[in-house]
Amino acid sequence: GEDVEQSLFLSVREGDSSVINCTYTDSSSTYLYWYKQEPGAGLQLLTYIFSNMDMKQDQRLTVLLNKKDKHLSLRIADTQTGDSAIYFCAENGGSQGNLIFGKGTKLSVKP
Amino acid sequence: KAGVTQTPRYLIKTRGQQVTLSCSPISGHRSVSWYQQTPGQGLQFLFEYFSETQRNKGNFPGRFSGRQFSNSRSEMNVSTLELGDSALYLCASSLQPSGRAVGTDTQYFGPGTRLTVL
Repeated sequence: GEDVEQSLFLSVREGDSSVINCTYTDSSSTYLYWYKQEPGAGLQLLTYIFSNMDMKQDQRLTVLLNKKDKHLSLRIADTQTGDSAIYFCAENGGSQGNLIFGKGTKLSVKP
Repeated sequence: KAGVTQTPRYLIKTRGQQVTLSCSPISGHRSVSWYQQTPGQGLQFLFEYFSETQRNKGNFPGRFSGRQFSNSRSEMNVSTLELGDSALYLCASSLQPSGRAVGTDTQYFGPGTRLTVL
């Protein structure tokens, strides 16, 4: 069935790079997304990648996609305290066209 | 352009009561999807409305229902509340139905309604 897995926690120091990983099972997914959720807020779309790409860079964010292994990662360069949040990986392979989300990775950035 | 708005932001109810949550999509968006977010289950899809018609429904009991109005605003209703219904309910809107809402035309989320059932 459809499933998206992420590690639950990541802790980094300010200025370091953060890498958040995600694996998914649905090979029919055409788009994969990263959303950010800050405390008390909804989900904010950060970036996305089309399945025929293997890398996408957007300012401090780099998305890598290994379609063969069904592995997606989000790298945040020069991580800041304002990047502390929960990051969700999602794919659009839901049987009803809906997004399927991982459980989220809580990123803590220490000064 | 204003984002997705949800009202109320916080709600406290008791078991057995019913509740109605409201979502106003981004102007021009005709698709509204609802998700339930809990610490244990994460984000789970409830249902989607497009042009006042329910297109898709997730695996939730019939106590969960919704509707969409001609101005694309949507409401979801939960009847006979249970303790396990305590969650953050998120609404997301898109121009196209979810199956065609891809790339930058994907779903955009509101801040959610935090429902606590006592």
